[in-house]
Amino acid sequence: EDQVTQSPEALRLQEGESSSLNCSYTVSGLRGLFWYRQDPGKGPEFLFTLYSAGEEKEKERLKATLTKKESFLHITAPKPEDSATYLCAVQDLGGSQGNLIFGKGTKLSVKP
Amino acid sequence: DGGITQSPKYLFRKEGQNVTLSCEQNLNHDAMYWYRQDPGQGLRLIYYSQIVNDFQKGDIAEGYSVSREKKESFPLTVTSAQKNPTAFYLCACRRNTEAFFGQGTRLTVV
Repeated sequence: EDQVTQSPEALRLQEGESSSLNCSYTVSGLRGLFWYRQDPGKGPEFLFTLYSAGEEKEKERLKATLTKKESFLHITAPKPEDSATYLCAVQDLGGSQGNLIFGKGTKLSVKP
Repeated sequence: DGGITQSPKYLFRKEGQNVTLSCEQNLNHDAMYWYRQDPGQGLRLIYYSQIVNDFQKGDIAEGYSVSREKKESFPLTVTSAQKNPTAFYLCACRRNTEAFFGQGTRLTVV
């Protein structure tokens, strides 16, 4: 069964304190791994898609990396406005409907 | 600007009542999805549609129904058969491997 596990569930950082969020996955074949940001009461906002091991993508203070079993979302020198829940999702090559399988998310709080 | 729009933002349902959530997109994406989000859980798939006039059940379709008469629209009806409908509902559309979400509808049973 396909699974996506995110850790930690919650992370508190001081402004400027860099850290990483983890997303481990089990799929028969990876079509793509996705990172989203979700603010309270709003829909997820697309951040990155990663397709193959070794791939990296960056956007402002965020950098996503991918291995064969997990992905990391690195946050460099975070600011309070980076506070949100970060969702990871995978799309299985064997899936016929293009459905994304989501993890439960990591709630990030950045204090000034 | 292209996008995906859900309405209403908040919806209240009485016991035994059917309610319909709207989802409209102008991104010209073929695939559309409905997810349910509950606290402490990942998004769970309710229904999806790859083309007009065709749709498939997801993992938690019981008590829900959908239609896809137009490419732009994918409304979700929460029927009285859904015993625990209070949740945050998210609509998404997808082309290739990029999926975009609406802003969600929060449904509460009163």
